[in-house]
Amino acid sequence: QKEVEQNSGPLSVPEGAIASLNCTYSDRGSQSFFWYRQYSGKSPELIMFIYSNGDKEDGRFTAQLNKASQYVSLLIRDSQPSDSATYLCAVNILTSGTYKYIFGTGTRLKVLA
Amino acid sequence: GAVVSQHPSRVICKSGTSVKIECRSLDFQATTMFWYRQFPKQSLMLMATSNEGSKATYEQGVEKDKFLINHASLTLSTLTVTSAHPEDSSFYICSVLPWSAYNEQFFGPGTRLTVL
Repeated sequence: QKEVEQNSGPLSVPEGAIASLNCTYSDRGSQSFFWYRQYSGKSPELIMFIYSNGDKEDGRFTAQLNKASQYVSLLIRDSQPSDSATYLCAVNILTSGTYKYIFGTGTRLKVLA
Repeated sequence: GAVVSQHPSRVICKSGTSVKIECRSLDFQATTMFWYRQFPKQSLMLMATSNEGSKATYEQGVEKDKFLINHASLTLSTLTVTSAHPEDSSFYICSVLPWSAYNEQFFGPGTRLTVL
């Protein structure tokens, strides 16, 4: 059973629309939650993280966390073609005294001009 | 965020040779670095956790004698792929873990390894 699940997509949205990316996780011990963006052939870059229930906004991005439902999402407002990339959800769990990061397989987003 | 470099960015080698990849933390001292591998259209798979001054912790299924990790200083970790084979061809990415309450990690630009 996968520990972090994402819909692989592609998710296609028109330019200017809101893109909604979803992620579920299985370990209730997960402490922090991260969204990374990865362009083809490049390494991931951190968009934002969230660690408490509710919403966290940063510019056009909003992360939402619901620990009871084990669900974290990322909303991208006013989507731009440059937002087209794969978005990776990651969770951070503490095991045997060390932090371990589990990544989802990513959702490919296409923003259509 | 933290600034991380990797060298080389791309390497092509013959089967049976060894390849060393360097990961440097440029703007802070990193006691912990991670090494990931990513195959095409797949997610990042953690290979090992590199701890400064001690042995690396390898994930299940990762051969420690094949993927040698050395974290000799607070700014440098190296991954050596020994006796590389075509199935080792992949995108290798390191990350650093700055001291933070939220434990966000920052990635290097990655190294594309192609074994012929």
